[in-house]
Amino acid sequence: GAGVSQSPRYKVAKRGQDVALRCDPISGHVSLFWYQQALGQGPEFLTYFQNEAQLDKSGLPSDRFFAERPEGSVSTLKIQRTQQEDSAVYLCASSLVSIKASEQYFGPGTRLTVT
Amino acid sequence: GNSVTQMEGPVTLSEEAFLTINCTYTATGYPSLFWYVQYPGEGLQLLLKATKADDKGSNKGFEATYRKETTSFHLEKGSVQVSDSAVYFCALMDSNYQLIWGAGTKLIIKP
Repeated sequence: GAGVSQSPRYKVAKRGQDVALRCDPISGHVSLFWYQQALGQGPEFLTYFQNEAQLDKSGLPSDRFFAERPEGSVSTLKIQRTQQEDSAVYLCASSLVSIKASEQYFGPGTRLTVT
Repeated sequence: GNSVTQMEGPVTLSEEAFLTINCTYTATGYPSLFWYVQYPGEGLQLLLKATKADDKGSNKGFEATYRKETTSFHLEKGSVQVSDSAVYFCALMDSNYQLIWGAGTKLIIKP
């Protein structure tokens, strides 16, 4: 079946531009996560949705970052006024339920480069 | 706070060698522990997991045992293949379902 998809796969933005990154989770998956992965590092948690509710946004680095999942399926991560330090791979993951040790399925990521 | 530390790479081995990638963690409570793998050009995939002390996760010849006394979850494989070349990430899941990740270890297997 279809896995988690993300678009675009690559995005180049000029400093100060706004960007929107899209995630299509696996159909029926309740939970959705966004992570940021800098080059040579492990992913870092940004935010978590259960259906349309954003239950945790403690990892968002600043108020320039905003995520939504209005119908409990597709999610968008928006970054306003991009800065060079925002350059990273943004990963989306979904899981069927939110229970201990539930497997998160990852998309291929969006590589954002801010110039 | 919760954290994961794994050995730095790259780790370079010959085919059929024994593999160990060390992973230790700091956490409150009883987190679940995971190993994820990222093959070149692909997304992260779950390799194995363990949910409580002394559990052993295994998959594709890889094993890791949840050791609470040493707060470790070392990844092992008895005989590696060229196709095992990838980046391996150790992670724990905290009480908020967040995954807390190590920095990753690049494994290179030479024929």
